[in-house]
Amino acid sequence: DTAVSQTPKYLVTQMGNDKSIKCEQNLGHDTMYWYKQDSKKFLKIMFSYNNKELIINETVPNRFSPKSPDKAHLNLHINSLELGDSAVYFCASSPDPGLVMGNEQFFGPGTRLTVL
Amino acid sequence: GNSVTQMEGPVTLSEEAFLTINCTYTATGYPSLFWYVQYPGEGLQLLLKATKADDKGSNKGFEATYRKETTSFHLEKGSVQVSDSAVYFCALSLSTGRRALTFGSGTRLQVQP
Repeated sequence: DTAVSQTPKYLVTQMGNDKSIKCEQNLGHDTMYWYKQDSKKFLKIMFSYNNKELIINETVPNRFSPKSPDKAHLNLHINSLELGDSAVYFCASSPDPGLVMGNEQFFGPGTRLTVL
Repeated sequence: GNSVTQMEGPVTLSEEAFLTINCTYTATGYPSLFWYVQYPGEGLQLLLKATKADDKGSNKGFEATYRKETTSFHLEKGSVQVSDSAVYFCALSLSTGRRALTFGSGTRLQVQP
């Protein structure tokens, strides 16, 4: 069973479109994240949710809107896509810090978004 | 703020060579430290971690020791294989408050037969 899954794996779309990426984890974790990896492989946090509550919201354009319908799912909706949004987006999850030492995060396979 | 600095790559080695990838960090508080590996076309996998000073993380022949005095967490392997070719990321996370990972820029390792 896949621990953290994302759909779709690849997404090619035109500028100005609206698209969504879905993430699901079956690990029972309380916290989920979205990271963006740019063309130079640099990874940066975008959002984090804990038990459906937004706890981290980095300086990301408000065209990006995360939604967490329950603690196992964290989706990312992007409005009015721009060329600079092209990247690989990774979802991750982590357990309650009171249960596990450190904050080990489990990553999904990534969604490669290409905006034309 | 928190930051992680890694040596730039690519690092090109012959099979069975010794590997060191340097990583230093700055953090407010007492972070946990991680090495993640990304194989071509795949997501990130945790390679090893250390949660307090002087801890040594190890996995698959890789090791790293949490050195608080030098704020470092260098990755080492005694004998690399072609299958170790990947991008390696050093990262830190605080155990309270903002728990997102702060990553270094990644180091690409290429191992030649």
